[in-house]
Amino acid sequence: QVQLQESGPGLVKPSGTLSLTCAVSGDSISNGDWWAWVRQAPGKGLEWIGEISHGEISHGGSTNYNPSLKSRITMSMDKSKNQFSLKLTSVTAADTAVYFCARTSYGSGTSPFLDYWGQGTLVTVSS
Amino acid sequence: SYVLAQPPSVSVAPGKTASITCGGSNIGMKSVHWYQQKPRQAPVLVVYYDGDRPSGIPERFSGSNSGNTATLTISRVEAGDEADYYCQVWDTSSDRPYVVFGGGTKLTVL
Repeated sequence: QVQLQESGPGLVKPSGTLSLTCAVSGDSISNGDWWAWVRQAPGKGLEWIGEISHGEISHGGSTNYNPSLKSRITMSMDKSKNQFSLKLTSVTAADTAVYFCARTSYGSGTSPFLDYWGQGTLVTVSS
Repeated sequence: SYVLAQPPSVSVAPGKTASITCGGSNIGMKSVHWYQQKPRQAPVLVVYYDGDRPSGIPERFSGSNSGNTATLTISRVEAGDEADYYCQVWDTSSDRPYVVFGGGTKLTVL
């Protein structure tokens, strides 16, 4: 059974950097799957942040980011720990949300869906 | 960017059928995935590729997709189905594709 667990500070100051890690068990992040981050502001819907894969483009893997957040996002992988990370810079109160990590799957097709999710972690941006 | 439109809320009596729509331009040309999210829980995939069900999801959950509307149908609705439901597609209209979610629909079981 694939399990994901988010961790990181629950409080970040405005203009600071939000840093989260997702530890994966039951699957290897190096197997070519894509690994995603999704967030949900209080009382709002789901917003896809981006995804990362152990890819061929560089030693850091391949990434796809939400265009609206692209300038502030960095994702990375630590294959030795089987975990991946998110950094979001220049945060404001609008970045306050529950952040989920998830595994992206394609099944037998070409359209990705998220089949395993972490429980989520609340990050509040406040001074 | 690609926009998915969902009704904010749908109400249904127990035992009846609930239909939750997801509108988008020519969405019938895309594959649509659906998630169920109960309060204070992570989303759960309930339908993928328009109408396939993951292991463990009851047959009461089904989906269809044609034209400009995809639909999640829940038959014989139970109290435990009360949740928010989100549709999702893969937007390939730009050189860097990305995941798009609908705004979500709150299903209330009367």
